[in-house]
Amino acid sequence: DAKTTQPPSMDCAEGRAANLPCNHSTISGNEYVYWYRQIHSQGPQYIIHGLKNNETNEMASLIITEDRKSSTLILPHATLRDTAVYYCIVKPKAAGNKLTFGGGTRVLVKP
Amino acid sequence: GAVVSQHPSWVICKSGTSVKIECRSLDFQATTMFWYRQFPKQSLMLMATSNEGSKATYEQGVEKDKFLINHASLTLSTLTVTSAHPEDSSFYICSASITSGNEQYFGPGTRLTVT
Repeated sequence: DAKTTQPPSMDCAEGRAANLPCNHSTISGNEYVYWYRQIHSQGPQYIIHGLKNNETNEMASLIITEDRKSSTLILPHATLRDTAVYYCIVKPKAAGNKLTFGGGTRVLVKP
Repeated sequence: GAVVSQHPSWVICKSGTSVKIECRSLDFQATTMFWYRQFPKQSLMLMATSNEGSKATYEQGVEKDKFLINHASLTLSTLTVTSAHPEDSSFYICSASITSGNEQYFGPGTRLTVT
């Protein structure tokens, strides 16, 4: 599986958009970009995934560059409850493929 | 939808005893379930992949005789930590893949403390 690189931490202001970058320069053509987050002492929560087109759901937007070597997760209006570790993971789209978690980005939303 | 539960949410046991953790997919059928372990301030580490009706596939360095995994149905997988020791104290998390999809949905985790 391709590896990802994320900043270890970032702060953002409550109510503002939070833009979380992820580099995946060795991503393969059949690999999707997945984002999960883990709030302290809880299991990870699925956020969004995409292949090459930008995606949006009720939680976030995912912007993938045209060359697919990087992506950005956007939380449009960060709240205090969005404080968590955010993981960017690339993997092929198949139910059996395991997720490999890196260090993630520790996001602290401040009032 | 796509809810995964774990039981118990936390457990304290004495060194040398065995502990069973259950993982259930409540509203979907899961062909594949995964077990992870997370030590404090570290990321999740995959322990094993479990497919319904077959033997689990363990990651390198994970003792299959110590961490027994059973996936007897499409909605239930169990992890048994045998002869637990204090170094097995950790946060154990399961996840499940929807048969027809690809997202993994995670349980809330089980915190194991071995005294």
